[in-house]
Amino acid sequence: EVQLVESGGGLVKPGGSLRLSCAASGFTFSSYSMNWVRQAPGKGLEWVSSISSSSSYIYYADSVKGRFTISRDNAKNSLYLQMNSLRAEDTAVYYCARDKGVSGGSPDYWGQGTLVTVSS
Amino acid sequence: QAVVTQEPSLTVSPGGTVTLTCGSSTGAVTSGHYPYWFQQKPGQAPRTLIYDTSNKHSWTPARFSGSLLGGKAALTLSGAQPEDEAEYYCLLSYSGARPDVVFGGGTKLTVL
Repeated sequence: EVQLVESGGGLVKPGGSLRLSCAASGFTFSSYSMNWVRQAPGKGLEWVSSISSSSSYIYYADSVKGRFTISRDNAKNSLYLQMNSLRAEDTAVYYCARDKGVSGGSPDYWGQGTLVTVSS
Repeated sequence: QAVVTQEPSLTVSPGGTVTLTCGSSTGAVTSGHYPYWFQQKPGQAPRTLIYDTSNKHSWTPARFSGSLLGGKAALTLSGAQPEDEAEYYCLLSYSGARPDVVFGGGTKLTVL
């Protein structure tokens, strides 16, 4: 059974940093591209970032480019999102999602999400 | 960036049929947009129902189907059940050097 478990969310002040993790199991993690998708409270879904299976291709939404860094450790079956210079508008539930395709942007399995709150 | 539009809300009677649509500000939606459909119930993570216009996952109930209709992507629910009450999001892919994907704003489906 595919499982994705996010962690690392919490309350952080504007300008602060946070690192999210996603632990994957039930599939060959190293064979799949992965995504981060977020959802602000009461709002819709927004694609944030994708990383290919070998980390050769990495993509970001314009809204987070230069502030967020996606990475993965295939030996640990883990996906990460380093978030720096956080803003109030980054407040959201962040979902880790396995990709159906090669380059990202095609989520099939989703984790349960972790809430990030940016507030003073 | 393109804008993907969905009906804000729809209501269907139990056992009835309803079609949700997903349009693009750039023009007609085609199979080349690889439309996806997701279901999200309150307090839960999204669940992928349909990928690449009309393909179902193993967990997708047979009463859901995806298609292209009148220049839009469409999700049809035939024989609505109370448990189908949820928010439904579509996702379209646009050509580019990166995952150029845009989610629609979502449709709140009420089964009443």
